[in-house]
Amino acid sequence: SQTIHQWPATLVQPVGSPLSLECTVEGTSNPNLYWYRQAAGRGLQLLFYSVGIGQISSEVPQNLSASRPQDRQFILSSKKLLLSDSGFYLCAGTVNGYTFGSGTRLTVV
Amino acid sequence: EDQVTQSPEALRLQEGESSSLNCSYTVSGLRGLFWYRQDPGKGPEFLFTLYSAGEEKEKERLKATLTKKESFLHITAPKPEDSATYLCAVHSGGYQKVTFGTGTKLQVIP
Repeated sequence: SQTIHQWPATLVQPVGSPLSLECTVEGTSNPNLYWYRQAAGRGLQLLFYSVGIGQISSEVPQNLSASRPQDRQFILSSKKLLLSDSGFYLCAGTVNGYTFGSGTRLTVV
Repeated sequence: EDQVTQSPEALRLQEGESSSLNCSYTVSGLRGLFWYRQDPGKGPEFLFTLYSAGEEKEKERLKATLTKKESFLHITAPKPEDSATYLCAVHSGGYQKVTFGTGTKLQVIP
């Protein structure tokens, strides 16, 4: 089956620490992949998208970066987390239409 | 720039009380309109994709319809387990991305 896996489910990190969230795709090749952030009570904000290995487009200037080292792997990173980076992060991809992973709740303390 | 507006922001229904959620959109070349259900603390769950005006799709108590300017998600005889936030999104022809509305939070009371 075609699915998107995302981990961890929850993460608590101190301000200034690094971040790495991973998203992997199963069951299909060459998907478009996306990272979204969802703040409480607000809509989904597109952060990055990728149409292929090494191809990253950034939608908003911020403290985060993304990489796509393999066709089915999409990574969201930060060198130094800020309090404002807290939120619910979702990976999505053109898998079975447009499918989401289960999300990561990041709390920066 | 693509825009998606959902209304109402919140909706409270009695069990069995049918209603509709609205999604108005402006896009440059619609490639698809998506409906999702999102439960608290979870990722959005795909419900429907609509591609052209006049198209309709159904799943259990849900029915999605599409016109050139808006989409409706009709909920017939809802049950408490239908309580969730429903998201609408559009995929436009000129972009490799999908634009989301802010959602309608539905609460169905027994």
